[in-house]
Amino acid sequence: EAGVAQSPRYKIIEKRQSVAFWCNPISGHATLYWYQQILGQGPKLLIQFQNNGVVDDSQLPKDRFSAERLKGVDSTLKIQPAKLEDSAVYLCASSPPFRGSIYFGEGSWLTVV
Amino acid sequence: KNEVEQSPQNLTAQEGEFITINCSYSVGISALHWLQQHPGGGIVSLFMLSSGKKKHGRLIATINIQEKHSSLHITASHPRDSAVYICAVKAAGGTSYGKLTFGQGTILTVHP
Repeated sequence: EAGVAQSPRYKIIEKRQSVAFWCNPISGHATLYWYQQILGQGPKLLIQFQNNGVVDDSQLPKDRFSAERLKGVDSTLKIQPAKLEDSAVYLCASSPPFRGSIYFGEGSWLTVV
Repeated sequence: KNEVEQSPQNLTAQEGEFITINCSYSVGISALHWLQQHPGGGIVSLFMLSSGKKKHGRLIATINIQEKHSSLHITASHPRDSAVYICAVKAAGGTSYGKLTFGQGTILTVHP
């Protein structure tokens, strides 16, 4: 079974530039999560989708971050414009319906300089 | 105070030692996850618990729902166990149902 796929793995951009991360969850997983993990801290939920609907985006900085999951499968997370404090690993995860298990991707490492 | 607290934050051990990492939480939960994160790597789920105890190889996870506490034990530790271990709880009930809250992680280093 293929895992959660994320790209790009690494990205370096200058502040005020934009960046987009892509995630393809495990087939059949209805729930998709985007987490931000700053070095030395635990992951922080940015947004949770159930199919193509948003369940929780309370911690998403909506002035600069946006995410979509148009067809209820893969998802894109965008940052525009980026700030230095956005340097982090962006983790995508997915969960199958009616089960509590969760599967994480390898993460996309963002450095803003 | 964080909803999920792990201890210790850093742990150094010699190969072969028995290791315990603790997790305390303050909210009602439907499940608790123990996760492993290697440097530069993604996160792997080790256990999902809602009660009792689970064992997989040299890893044992226990949870006490009444005391809101869980422990992860590693027997006969090995340098390849060096990683960050993260406790995460899935909220039960209310508007936060299903939301995962993470601890800050425990950095484990096992020396040969």
